[in-house]
Amino acid sequence: GENVGLHLPTLSVQEGDNSIINCAYSNSASDYFIWYKQESGKGPQFIIDIRSNMDKRQGQRVTVLLNKTVKHLSLQIAATQPGDSAVYFCAEMGPGYSTLTFGKGTMLLVSP
Amino acid sequence: GAVVSQHPSRVICKSGTSVKIECRSLDFQATTMFWYRQFPKQSLMLMATSNEGSKATYEQGVEKDKFLINHASLTLSTLTVTSAHPEDSSFYICSARDAAGGGDTQYFGPGTRLTVL
Repeated sequence: GENVGLHLPTLSVQEGDNSIINCAYSNSASDYFIWYKQESGKGPQFIIDIRSNMDKRQGQRVTVLLNKTVKHLSLQIAATQPGDSAVYFCAEMGPGYSTLTFGKGTMLLVSP
Repeated sequence: GAVVSQHPSRVICKSGTSVKIECRSLDFQATTMFWYRQFPKQSLMLMATSNEGSKATYEQGVEKDKFLINHASLTLSTLTVTSAHPEDSSFYICSARDAAGGGDTQYFGPGTRLTVL
């Protein structure tokens, strides 16, 4: 979803559910994408990344899907746990660039 | 995994004073470090790219004379907020890229909360 003003889009799920967080990226030339988790008052924590030559990559309980046609990235978290509650950011990097551009973020709230 | 530290974690200062924030890569060498600013409920915004031994590259709209960056060694970059004003209050986060790794991965520090009174 879009971030309007100071309101982060929020996804509320029950413990044990699967969560899907979406991100629309801006640069069609971007070739490297990362998902970060940020807990309150802390720095971003790397979750998973994917290169543009792939459309899916799996980690432990997480899967990232990349659709370059519509410039869309998603993060799937299986069996979501209360400890997964945080703000999740996607980030993109273009070819030959060293800088990351962060998306607007989604807050994930997991209820026990 | 690679560890990046920041010091201090929190700082409160009076308007008009200067504040220095340190970013250190603890177990790897970083030729490039990045400084971000994050306001409440917003995303990280890149302020500048810090290269060891050379001048920092600032993003558009970021005043280089106000946000002084020094990358004196392969493990340390500092950000000095000069003549701080209340609107500079924010969460400042650094990241570092492993020079030996050859990849694009940036490792983030824990952030520094700056409050200007």
